Amino acid sequence: QKEVEQNSGPLSVPEGAIASLNCTYSDRGSQSFFWYRQYSGKSPELIMFIYSNGDKEDGRFTAQLNKASQYVSLLIRDSQPSDSATYLCAVRADMRFGAGTRLTVKP
Amino acid sequence: DTGVSQDPRHKITKRGQNVTFRCDPISEHNRLYWYRQTLGQGPEFLTYFQNEAQLEKSRLLSDRFSAERPKGSFSTLEIQRTEQGDSAMYLCASSVQGAGYTFGSGTRLTVV
Repeated sequence: QKEVEQNSGPLSVPEGAIASLNCTYSDRGSQSFFWYRQYSGKSPELIMFIYSNGDKEDGRFTAQLNKASQYVSLLIRDSQPSDSATYLCAVRADMRFGAGTRLTVKP
Repeated sequence: DTGVSQDPRHKITKRGQNVTFRCDPISEHNRLYWYRQTLGQGPEFLTYFQNEAQLEKSRLLSDRFSAERPKGSFSTLEIQRTEQGDSAMYLCASSVQGAGYTFGSGTRLTVV
């Protein structure tokens, strides 16, 4: 079993919709969780991190963590075409990444 | 520029040659990481340092790969006897312990 699993997509949503990205992890002892965005041909950039169960909001982004079920999700509200990218989930302070979910937001 | 710097940006080498990449992290970051990424995949962990100590190395990493961070500042990643399968983007990132990473722009290696 991979340490971090994501639906590779692609996920397509219309502009203005909510995009929901999911990630599951195998290490029950993991304490920190990160979401990165990677545009084509660019390096990943940090969007959000979450350590505690529940929701964490930052602008149009909400990270949700459920340690009992071992999943973390990212919601993007009012999706924009500029949000089109690959979203990477990372787990643990020493960062194992999922394969990423490619999101396309259609105008 | 206070970000993570990687050099070179691109490297084309013949199979069997050795290559070395350099990473300069953000100065106050004590952790430095190397990843490899191929098209359509997430970054694959290679190794990381805390200050000058190499704390973990991926068991997937062959003996042809070696990394150093001699003074706890910049780091080098060397690949000996390159193979075509080594062609990838090599990413360096730095952080303080427990925090998210800042990535460099990467070094794209092509082995011909």
